[in-house]
Amino acid sequence: GQQLNQSPQSMFIQEGEDVSMNCTSSSIFNTWLWYKQEPGEGPVLLIALYKAGELTSNGRLTAQFGITRKDSFLNISASIPSDVGIYFCAGPYNNNDMRFGAGTRLTVKP
Amino acid sequence: EAGVAQSPRYKIIEKRQSVAFWCNPISGHATLYWYQQILGQGPKLLIQFQNNGVVDDSQLPKDRFSAERLKGVDSTLKIQPAKLEDSAVYLCASSLSPGGYGYTFGSGTRLTVV
Repeated sequence: GQQLNQSPQSMFIQEGEDVSMNCTSSSIFNTWLWYKQEPGEGPVLLIALYKAGELTSNGRLTAQFGITRKDSFLNISASIPSDVGIYFCAGPYNNNDMRFGAGTRLTVKP
Repeated sequence: EAGVAQSPRYKIIEKRQSVAFWCNPISGHATLYWYQQILGQGPKLLIQFQNNGVVDDSQLPKDRFSAERLKGVDSTLKIQPAKLEDSAVYLCASSLSPGGYGYTFGSGTRLTVV
């Protein structure tokens, strides 16, 4: 099936630093989604991307839909402690099946 | 609006026992999903309902897992008998329509099989 590969697996950064993470696939996706999951909770949608080359922001978060449609990037600027969590990329496979990457675990040190 | 409700939050059972999880989606959401999230992995779709009909259950291990959504509202996921590898968080999500990417997830049920 469709595999979404996220990197890095984990990041340890200092508060105030910027963060970049990415997601790649061997196949084309027509939609890319980024979710954040905090301990004991379900994933929450952060940003949705629908067009190749699209750049979308949500506060300090910016995500881009890669031109090849096989990758996407998420950036977080000026990180704060509450950014801690696991960030998942996801994309719909066959319109029904939302495929998720394995996640990037972010730790922010105050 | 109220979110997706799931219960119980935690469950510990012995292997070969049975267990059931309950989900009440957001009011008006016709599409309901059950996902399995094993520690260190992203969620994996088990089954999708549109109202009370199954849209996709291709990744549901049907020899031991079953799910129903009899009245098109709340849903139950059952495992019988449980295996050690079923230890995971079971997430329920709902959306207004299939392909609607504004999924709302519940907080999940953490199952430990010992």
